[in-house]
Amino acid sequence: QKEVEQDPGPLSVPEGAIVSLNCTYSNSAFQYFMWYRQYSRKGPELLMYTYSSGNKEDGRFTAQVDKSSKYISLFIRDSQPSDSATYLCAMPSGTYKYIFGTGTRLKVLA
Amino acid sequence: GAGVSQSPRYKVAKRGQDVALRCDPISGHVSLFWYQQALGQGPEFLTYFQNEAQLDKSGLPSDRFFAERPEGSVSTLKIQRTQQEDSAVYLCASSGGTGFQPQHFGDGTRLSIL
Repeated sequence: QKEVEQDPGPLSVPEGAIVSLNCTYSNSAFQYFMWYRQYSRKGPELLMYTYSSGNKEDGRFTAQVDKSSKYISLFIRDSQPSDSATYLCAMPSGTYKYIFGTGTRLKVLA
Repeated sequence: GAGVSQSPRYKVAKRGQDVALRCDPISGHVSLFWYQQALGQGPEFLTYFQNEAQLDKSGLPSDRFFAERPEGSVSTLKIQRTQQEDSAVYLCASSGGTGFQPQHFGDGTRLSIL
């Protein structure tokens, strides 16, 4: 079993939909939870990160962490075609070695 | 520079050749990381530098892989006697501190071994 599991998708939604992207993890020591967006042939771009449990909101994006269930989510409101990308969750093992999920491919249809 | 810069963006080599991939981190960033990303997968950690010191190379797949950062800025990842399984995107990331700091990635070098 991988330390971080993520459904690879693809996930197709109509423009304006609310998107829910999720990861599960097995290591209860993880403290920081990152979300990256990766466009085709580009590097991962940091969207947001949270520390420990709870919610964090940034514009149309909300990150949620449930440490009791070892489950994290990224919600995208009012999704746009420009949101079409691969979304990667990542968790630092220790202070620097990021463990990534496989990424979920999202397509927002105009 | 404004972001992490990697060169070349694309590299094609014949099996058995040596290759060198370059990373220019964000100016002033102490920490530098190399990751390998296979098609359809998330990045996997290769190695970590704090300034010029290589503190962790546990992710390097074999002794054919070698990384250096001699002056604590630019880093080079070298792969000797390349194999087809080395084909992947090699990503470099940097961060500003030595404790937890978010990592910022370059656009990678796409390596194809024929």
